Amino acid sequence: DIVMTQSPDSLAVSLGERASINCKSSQSVLNTSNNKNHLAWYQQKPGQPPKLFIFWASTRESGVPDRFSGSGSGTDFTLTISSLQAEDVAVYYCQQYYSIPQTFGHGTKVEIK
Amino acid sequence: QVQLQESGPGLVKPSGTLSLTCAVSGGSISSSNWWSWVRQPPGKGLEWIGEIYHGGSTNYAPSFKSRVTISVDKSKNQVSLTLRSVTAADTAVYYCARAPSGPIDSWGQGTLVTVSS
Repeated sequence: DIVMTQSPDSLAVSLGERASINCKSSQSVLNTSNNKNHLAWYQQKPGQPPKLFIFWASTRESGVPDRFSGSGSGTDFTLTISSLQAEDVAVYYCQQYYSIPQTFGHGTKVEIK
Repeated sequence: QVQLQESGPGLVKPSGTLSLTCAVSGGSISSSNWWSWVRQPPGKGLEWIGEIYHGGSTNYAPSFKSRVTISVDKSKNQVSLTLRSVTAADTAVYYCARAPSGPIDSWGQGTLVTVSS
């Protein structure tokens, strides 16, 4: 199985400041046949299912604010919130869909400082 | 906009069988999608269980492979999950989800299943 390791476990950021979450996979999730990283980011708020925010490592899902961006390739990825808003308080998960079983990071909790 | 709704018993006895169904509306189960099950123990992270394509092809996580079955009922536009020999460690919110081309883009609201006598 590909192990997904997220850091930090939690972070508190002031409103309007930048938040960055890291995700490292135990092996590359870059598909060289299509040059795409099979890496997604999800946001989950309490009592709700996860919501797809980023896929192919850097493509924003429709409706996701452009303050969210994804970057990285191979084994190292980052989700960045350029200017944290109150509604961004949530747990964020990375997921690899490169190989079976698909695996998730353990989650990063984002809070307001 | 596809909608997914899980249903099934909220309480299952240890060593018993967990059976859930996922009703798909706003789209056909026979469309080009993988239909997945993901679970989340209370207060913990997400765990992928497995997936099925409308043609019947399945993929399961090795940790579940010996006791899980995912199936499709095209006539009812439903996906089902069966997990056998459950223990308290199987207590979780179970989500039905759709993955058109890799990432999961639609999720059900989830259903809590508690394993307890």
